[in-house]
Amino acid sequence: QVQLVQSGAEVKKPGASVKVSCKASGYTFTGYHMHWVRQAPGQGLEWMGWINPNNGGTKYAQKFQGRVTMTRDTSISTAYMEMDNLKSDDTAVYYCARDVCSGTYCLDYWGQGTLVTISS
Amino acid sequence: DIQMTQSPSSLSASLGDRVSLTCRASQNIGNNLNWYQQRPGKAPKLLIFVASSLQSGAPSRFSGSGSGTDFTLTISSLQPEDSATYYCQDSYNTLTFGQGTRLQIE
Repeated sequence: QVQLVQSGAEVKKPGASVKVSCKASGYTFTGYHMHWVRQAPGQGLEWMGWINPNNGGTKYAQKFQGRVTMTRDTSISTAYMEMDNLKSDDTAVYYCARDVCSGTYCLDYWGQGTLVTISS
Repeated sequence: DIQMTQSPSSLSASLGDRVSLTCRASQNIGNNLNWYQQRPGKAPKLLIFVASSLQSGAPSRFSGSGSGTDFTLTISSLQPEDSATYYCQDSYNTLTFGQGTRLQIE
């Protein structure tokens, strides 16, 4: 069965960087885009970007361009999301999600979420 | 940027009720609209894609309609497990989510 297992919770200081991992299993990792979505405490969902695990191509939401980098390691079926220069309002649960659609986008399997807390 | 506006922000209804949630896009997105359900403390779950296609495993009481700028998610007969927040998402360009509709079962 399809599973996305994310790395554990992180506590970071303002200005630091964080790297969250998402290990995929149960399907061909290179066959589906992987998206990242975040959710601040008590708030809605915010789309961050996607990576094509087949060729490493990426697309980022304008808000995150220059501060977020999405990468992957196909040898271990794992996607990564790294964010630099963290601020307090980056405190959120970060999700990875598989994109099953072709020609459009739709996220059918999600990781369990990784809480990233920014605190001095 | 495309803005996605959901209404109402919150809704309370009774078991067995038929409810409709609305999502409006600030520009024409064709049928490129998804609906997700999120229960507290859980990851979102895909319910509807391309406006009206029911995701595998989603209950048949959920249905989606609309195109262009106006979309609707309908739950035909509310069940206790439908208590959740529902989000629409533009799947055409910016992948923006709406702000959500919180549905409570009385």
